[in-house]
Amino acid sequence: DAGITQSPRYKITETGRQVTLMCHQTWSHSYMFWYRQDLGHGLRLIYYSAAADITDKGEVPDGYVVSRSKTENFPLTLESATRSQTSVYFCATRAGTGETDTQYFGPGTRLTVL
Amino acid sequence: TQLLEQSPQFLSIQEGENLTVYCNSSSVFSSLQWYRQEPGEGPVLLVTVVTGGEVKKLKRLTFQFGDARKDSSLHITAAQPGDTGLYLCAGVRSGYSTLTFGKGTMLLVSP
Repeated sequence: DAGITQSPRYKITETGRQVTLMCHQTWSHSYMFWYRQDLGHGLRLIYYSAAADITDKGEVPDGYVVSRSKTENFPLTLESATRSQTSVYFCATRAGTGETDTQYFGPGTRLTVL
Repeated sequence: TQLLEQSPQFLSIQEGENLTVYCNSSSVFSSLQWYRQEPGEGPVLLVTVVTGGEVKKLKRLTFQFGDARKDSSLHITAAQPGDTGLYLCAGVRSGYSTLTFGKGTMLLVSP
């Protein structure tokens, strides 16, 4: 039972390139989230989705695009990568629709933009 | 301005010592969660507190939600090397549906 998988786990790219980070869940959790984690800033929400075809901006959405055509997948695209987007990216799902429900995190993708 | 302030940012102690980590805010939260994150992995939920004044215990870990629901604390008794990790508090404000995270407290417990 894999739960949440993220791919790739490590990625090095160059400024200006498009990059897509993948997130897949084997459950059928409604909510999915993308966070970035940086030293000095902690975890910050980029985008989230309450269900297939429903997405909403988080705290730091600029420079990112998401889509959710299927419940189990929630890809995050950096349309034109910048050095400031070097970070560790975490995908998460929420088991229920309530705010107190458990959030499950994937293992993360470490992205370096040169 | 950080919505949730955690202190201390870093804590290095010896096995067997007690410690407390704090999570403070000027805002009211409808719930507070504590996560632990180990290197190279995603955070894992430890506990959720929802009622002001609530105290929850998880083995040697004691979590408390402030009466006014603006702060929380995590107390570890007789810390062990296995407790080493990044401890994150996260809260949901009334009217919101997403978590806001603190910057975390990095705990290192040496044998």
